[in-house]
Amino acid sequence: NAGVMQNPRHLVRRRGQEARLRCSPMKGHSHVYWYRQLPEEGLKFMVYLQKENIIDESGMPKERFSAEFPKEGPSILRIQQVVRGDSAAYFCASSPMNRVGNTEAFFGQGTRLTVV
Amino acid sequence: GESVGLHLPTLSVQEGDNSIINCAYSNSASDYFIWYKQESGKGPQFIIDIRSNMDKRQGQRVTVLLNKTVKHLSLQIAATQPGDSAVYFCADSDSWGKLQFGAGTQVVVTP
Repeated sequence: NAGVMQNPRHLVRRRGQEARLRCSPMKGHSHVYWYRQLPEEGLKFMVYLQKENIIDESGMPKERFSAEFPKEGPSILRIQQVVRGDSAAYFCASSPMNRVGNTEAFFGQGTRLTVV
Repeated sequence: GESVGLHLPTLSVQEGDNSIINCAYSNSASDYFIWYKQESGKGPQFIIDIRSNMDKRQGQRVTVLLNKTVKHLSLQIAATQPGDSAVYFCADSDSWGKLQFGAGTQVVVTP
C-alpha cells in the first residue's frame, strides 16, 4: 500500500507565476489535509478536504491560494502569483474515511516550493 | 489563540541515554494528542498517540505521558540511538482530524 504521494518534491517558481502542488492520498483514504511549514517552524494547518468538498479552509490565505480534491485524481493546492513569502514546505496528510478524528494522519514527503 | 507549544528548542543527548521532550497545550478541550518525528527533508512520521482518558501509553522504546491537570505532555525515548536524531513535534487533533502542531524540539544524539 503506497503512502501519501506528493509531487513534485521540489518546485521553483519565479515571482508572479503559478504553483500547483499535487497530493495522492493513501488508498482508501478520502480525507486530505494540507499544511505549510516555514524553516525552523512547526506545521501550520491550511485546509481540510473530502472528495469534492472543502470542509475547513480556515488556515488558507484569503487570496491567491485555492485547493481542490476532485472525485477522480489527486488533491491540488494551487498558489497563484507566487511571492517570495510563499517559499516553504507544503505537506499533505490523509486519513481514512471511517475514522476521522482521534486517528493517525499519514503524511507525504512534502513539496518544497522556492520562489525566486 | 489556543496553541500547542514546546519548552525546549534543542535537546542534546548522549547515545544510550534516555530523552525527555516536553510539550504544553492550552486548549483544555483537547482530547487526542500525537507525537511526530521529522527527519531532515522528510514528512512527519507518527510515533505514538494518546487520548485524554489515559495518562500514559507505551510503545517500542517510547512512552507518552499526559498530565491533564497542568496541560502537559511528554515523550520519553529510552536508550536513544543516532537514528533518533530529528525534530519532534507534539500535536493535538480536533474531531475532524485537523492537527495543531507545536514549534518542535530538535534532538541531537551524540556518540
